Amino acid sequence: DTGVSQDPRHKITKRGQNVTFRCDPISEHNRLYWYRQTLGQGPEFLTYFQNEAQLEKSRLLSDRFSAERPKGSFSTLEIQRTEQGDSAMYLCASSAAGSSTEAFFGQGTRLTVV
Amino acid sequence: AQSVTQLGSHVSVSEGALVLLRCNYSSSVPPYLFWYVQYPNQGLQLLLKYTSAATLVKGINGFEAEFKKSETSFHLTKPSAHMSDAAEYFCAVAKTGGGNKLTFGTGTQLKVEL
Repeated sequence: DTGVSQDPRHKITKRGQNVTFRCDPISEHNRLYWYRQTLGQGPEFLTYFQNEAQLEKSRLLSDRFSAERPKGSFSTLEIQRTEQGDSAMYLCASSAAGSSTEAFFGQGTRLTVV
Repeated sequence: AQSVTQLGSHVSVSEGALVLLRCNYSSSVPPYLFWYVQYPNQGLQLLLKYTSAATLVKGINGFEAEFKKSETSFHLTKPSAHMSDAAEYFCAVAKTGGGNKLTFGTGTQLKVEL
């Protein structure tokens, strides 16, 4: 297993378009997280799944954002009607169950909305 | 709610000098604490974590951190900086039993000069 993989690495889109990102976690990890990182800031939590159940969503996740993990394996994050303020790095992470296990991060998808 | 504060958004050291990156946390319950490193346009890599087993934690690449409850601190140190240590460093806190959701600080950019 080569770690958490995200696709695409870079995405440029026009304002108003919809975009979808994919994350493939480490295969034995049942927890999957999405974070957003803007320039000069630390990552901010968006949402997380345990298996296929979405257990928590941040208030940052507006109605235009939706995330799924249909079979408890890969996850997708969709942003509808993109705005310039959505430009950021979107990071996916996964971890095993257990309180102290660390999260492993993918390389991120950098979104630029023009 | 948990939070971390990283003092100093930019730190510059000479190669071979001591590296000290500061992190103070706030948590209503015993926290799990982490240091991650991020290279440009990359995801985050775990350096080390504190999960209450030992207050002095050793990580990868010669880094270590000491958990001091009385000072609510978890500062990151390395005895001798190397050029390859130049990167952004993030301190993060997770609530015990909180699904491993991380709250990050704003990061410290480390510059290593010859």
